[in-house]
Amino acid sequence: DAGVIQSPRHEVTEMGQEVTLRCKPISGHDYLFWYRQTMMRGLELLIYFNNNVPIDDSGMPEDRFSAKMPNASFSTLKIQPSEPRDSAVYFCASTQMRTGLHGYTFGSGTRLTVV
Amino acid sequence: DQQVKQNSPSLSVQEGRISILNCDYTNSMFDYFLWYKKYPAEGPTFLISISSIKDKNEDGRFTVFLNKSAKHLSLHIVPSQPGDSAVYFCAASARNNAGNMLTFGGGTRLMVKP
Repeated sequence: DAGVIQSPRHEVTEMGQEVTLRCKPISGHDYLFWYRQTMMRGLELLIYFNNNVPIDDSGMPEDRFSAKMPNASFSTLKIQPSEPRDSAVYFCASTQMRTGLHGYTFGSGTRLTVV
Repeated sequence: DQQVKQNSPSLSVQEGRISILNCDYTNSMFDYFLWYKKYPAEGPTFLISISSIKDKNEDGRFTVFLNKSAKHLSLHIVPSQPGDSAVYFCAASARNNAGNMLTFGGGTRLMVKP
């Protein structure tokens, strides 16, 4: 298995632009998570899905953030409009809860820079 | 309110010595704990875990200790190697909750000097 695949690896955009981050979870995993890593707050959970359904989005910082999971193999995190304070590394992770004793498998992350 | 805290943002250790990374938690429902290791430009990867029914779990150079009464766990790396230099995240889960949700600490950056 190729693991959790995120794209792009790096994104530089201007303030006000729309940004879309993408994630392909591991096949067969029924949970998908979006995290944001910052120096100040470490790893913050933004939203998670179970069987493609959003379960908890209380971590999404503002209405500018939205996430979708149209099928079991794809999820997007969108920021519109983007702001400089959104600059961070965004991670996607997946797991299969029945055998999730070792926790999550993370993607390599997308480093977002908003200028 | 942070339920999982890593109070040391960074730690520097000489190669060959012991590295001790600490983690505190507040939620008494947590019953499973994990450590993740993160290299630059990579996602966190699972390192070692411990269930609340144990107080110690060992895997090679890595040992995790759990003190439930103090709500404290620690990761010991002996002997430390330069390749261990990374950010280490502590995570906790209450497995009776839906989703086995992991709550992460803020991370500790370990630097092992040759």
